[in-house]
Amino acid sequence: SQQGEEDPQALSIQEGENATMNCSYKTSINNLQWYRQNSGRGLVHLILIRSNEREKHSGRLRVTLDTSKKSSSLLITASRAADTASYFCAAQSGANNLFFGTGTRLTVIP
Amino acid sequence: DAMVIQNPRYQVTQFGKPVTLSCSQTLNHNVMYWYQQKSSQAPKLLFHYYDKDFNNEADTPDNFQSRRPNTSFCFLDIRSPGLGDAAMYLCATSRDVLAEKYQETQYFGPGTRLLVL
Repeated sequence: SQQGEEDPQALSIQEGENATMNCSYKTSINNLQWYRQNSGRGLVHLILIRSNEREKHSGRLRVTLDTSKKSSSLLITASRAADTASYFCAAQSGANNLFFGTGTRLTVIP
Repeated sequence: DAMVIQNPRYQVTQFGKPVTLSCSQTLNHNVMYWYQQKSSQAPKLLFHYYDKDFNNEADTPDNFQSRRPNTSFCFLDIRSPGLGDAAMYLCATSRDVLAEKYQETQYFGPGTRLLVL
């Protein structure tokens, strides 16, 4: 399957520090998306980066994409306790299907 | 305003008793998806509808069925729930653009947590 893999599986940092999460996928993609999920809640779309883009910013979020390495990273700068959640990457190829990674559980300690 | 609505938010059913989960959208999107997410796992796509065309994933059990009577509504039917079907079920929608490449964001509902007793 084309399910992505993320590392680390869990990350614990102090408030104010930066958090970096990595994602790798297996085949060619049209775009890669990052989602956030609070415990027991639904997924929230954060950011989409197209296959012809290398970097995108959205507020405290920075996403990079390296199609030659089939990898992406999500950087959250100046983390806050409210950023505590699970973060998933999702690779999209073909007709609309998203293939999710296994997620990184981020804990930001106040 | 809610865009993708799932009811109920929590559903308890008995082993083997059919159950239906519902999803509705106000976005007028062409595509609707159902995902299954078990504890501490990634969401897994079960199937999706492109308009009225049903697309099943290869490894989705026959126990799971879906109906889409109109653009706004989509249902997930579990014919004979087993203990292993207890999970969060997520509905999502996307607008399809007739373009060479698909650049679509999926909009997720809050999910229905299913408990099987």
